[in-house]
Amino acid sequence: KQEVTQIPAALSVPEGENLVLNCSFTDSAIYNLQWFRQDPGKGLTSLLLIQSSQREQTSGRLNASLDKSSGRSTLYIAASQPGDSATYLCAVPNYGQNFVFGPGTRLSVLP
Amino acid sequence: NAGVTQTPKFRVLKTGQSMTLLCAQDMNHEYMYWYRQDPGMGLRLIHYSVGEGTTAKGEVPDGYNVSRLKKQNFLLGLESAAPSQTSVYFCASSQGTANTEAFFGQGTRLTVV
Repeated sequence: KQEVTQIPAALSVPEGENLVLNCSFTDSAIYNLQWFRQDPGKGLTSLLLIQSSQREQTSGRLNASLDKSSGRSTLYIAASQPGDSATYLCAVPNYGQNFVFGPGTRLSVLP
Repeated sequence: NAGVTQTPKFRVLKTGQSMTLLCAQDMNHEYMYWYRQDPGMGLRLIHYSVGEGTTAKGEVPDGYNVSRLKKQNFLLGLESAAPSQTSVYFCASSQGTANTEAFFGQGTRLTVV
């Protein structure tokens, strides 16, 4: 069974800092990895989808990398802003049937 | 451009009551999923469907039933609600799992008293 972990569980940084969120998965035979954002009391919003053939994917100040062989992905947020405060979750396919999610990293960006 | 819509958004049930949560997607996706999210437990898969007329059990299926009679709808039923089913329920859909995004609804907050 695919298992996903995320480090750190929570992170608090001052505005303007660059930061890295980590995601690890146990089964490296994945097609893709997806990063989501969840605001309090809201649903999940897709941020980035990295396909297994890619090593990086960028969207604005966000950059996600994928290293299948080591079972890891990182989400890099440049020049963080208070509006980036949210919980960030990663998800990977589970044997082609559904998705398994990590527990999330709760990010607070302080003005 | 509705995406994934969940009905209702909030509900309070008494122990033993039944209810159905409705998920509707307008993206013609094959796969649909029901997750529950609890503090400290993350998102856990309840049931899922890989196409119209199909359903399968996820990680925590006990106490729930599902149906996928139409491709665009995925229903989650609680036959006899228990306080342990107090949670936030999320529906999601995707075209598959290989190099496709999953899209989520806004959630249903259910309280069982």
